[in-house]
Amino acid sequence: NAGVMQNPRHLVRRRGQEARLRCSPMKGHSHVYWYRQLPEEGLKFMVYLQKENIIDESGMPKERFSAEFPKEGPSILRIQQVVRGDSAAYFCASSPYWGLPNEQFFGPGTRLTVL
Amino acid sequence: GESVGLHLPTLSVQEGDNSIINCAYSNSASDYFIWYKQESGKGPQFIIDIRSNMDKRQGQRVTVLLNKTVKHLSLQIAATQPGDSAVYFCAENRETSGSRLTFGEGTQLTVNP
Repeated sequence: NAGVMQNPRHLVRRRGQEARLRCSPMKGHSHVYWYRQLPEEGLKFMVYLQKENIIDESGMPKERFSAEFPKEGPSILRIQQVVRGDSAAYFCASSPYWGLPNEQFFGPGTRLTVL
Repeated sequence: GESVGLHLPTLSVQEGDNSIINCAYSNSASDYFIWYKQESGKGPQFIIDIRSNMDKRQGQRVTVLLNKTVKHLSLQIAATQPGDSAVYFCAENRETSGSRLTFGEGTQLTVNP
């Protein structure tokens, strides 16, 4: 029973390029969350999605960042025109339902480095 | 603003000792608290959770205590092992905020053999 999968595990981009991070939730999970972790800090919520719907994007920067979770395929976090401040670890989590208690299962993360 | 934070950034213990990791939170409306363990280069791993209407919950070698009066949460690890070395985060969840988790800054636990 595979856990949450993320790829790539490491991604290097130059300033101004685009970064695409992919997340495949656990089997049977239809709720996906993206978090960002800066070095030596806690995780910060970015966005919560269900299939084909963005439920809560209150943690997403207003510009350059977008997320989707299509009917088929993985969830995608897209960062356009990356800047050095985007360098961080991006974690995806999934859960089987909404509401509390809400155990979220985390993937291994994608470590983005912007040169 | 609201926050979930840790008292100490690092904790070093001897193998076999008990460890206590503390966490303070500011929002009295929190409904649910969770402790996560994060090993280097990996994603957070669920350890134990507790609802706001409880004071204590026990798992295998771990106990979480919740003191709502002073808005304090602690994680106790019994007979700490080298494999317990990691960063530990507390997180909170509220029904009014949907399913998103608010994380604290983390405590680095180091277990010395």
